[in-house]
Amino acid sequence: NAGVTQTPKFQVLKTGQSMTLQCAQDMNHNSMYWYRQDPGMGLRLIYYSASEGTTDKGEVPNGYNVSRLNKREFSLRLESAAPSQTSVYFCASSVSRGSAKPQHFGDGTRLSIL
Amino acid sequence: DQQVKQNSPSLSVQEGRISILNCDYTNSMFDYFLWYKKYPAEGPTFLISISSIKDKNEDGRFTVFLNKSAKHLSLHIVPSQPGDSAVYFCAASANGATNKLIFGTGTLLAVQP
Repeated sequence: NAGVTQTPKFQVLKTGQSMTLQCAQDMNHNSMYWYRQDPGMGLRLIYYSASEGTTDKGEVPNGYNVSRLNKREFSLRLESAAPSQTSVYFCASSVSRGSAKPQHFGDGTRLSIL
Repeated sequence: DQQVKQNSPSLSVQEGRISILNCDYTNSMFDYFLWYKKYPAEGPTFLISISSIKDKNEDGRFTVFLNKSAKHLSLHIVPSQPGDSAVYFCAASANGATNKLIFGTGTLLAVQP
């Protein structure tokens, strides 16, 4: 049972480079999410996709774009990486929007921008 | 403005004793609360949840209490085990808000053998 799979696990970028973080889930979930975790800040929602074909901004969307490629896959793109985007990024999925069901998380992508 | 607050960054407890982790929230629209557990280099894993129509939910050694009037919830772990050592996140959502979660900053629990 893979659950939520994120690639890559680690990445180092230079300022200005672009990068796409990949996420795939095999639980037939409708909703998917991207979070970032910074020290002392908890997890903050970047973007989410309530269902295939839709995406919406979360708390901290600036500097990011997303694509819900299909029901399984939800990618996060940094077009021009900045040091402030150094963080651990988590992808999550849940059964459906508006339902009281927990989100399931991947193991994260640790991203460093120099 | 932090809508979900975990004011204790860390907690140390002896094995076998009770661990009590606390969480406060400010948004009265929150109606669903969850606790997640996170080990280093892993993603958060769901532990237990509670709906605002309840004031207690129990699952084995884990119990979550909700005090809506105080906008406060707590997670009790009895008895605590060394394997419980992890960061615990409290999270909340408002029904109908596409299941978006607002997380607290986490509490690092250390259970001493």
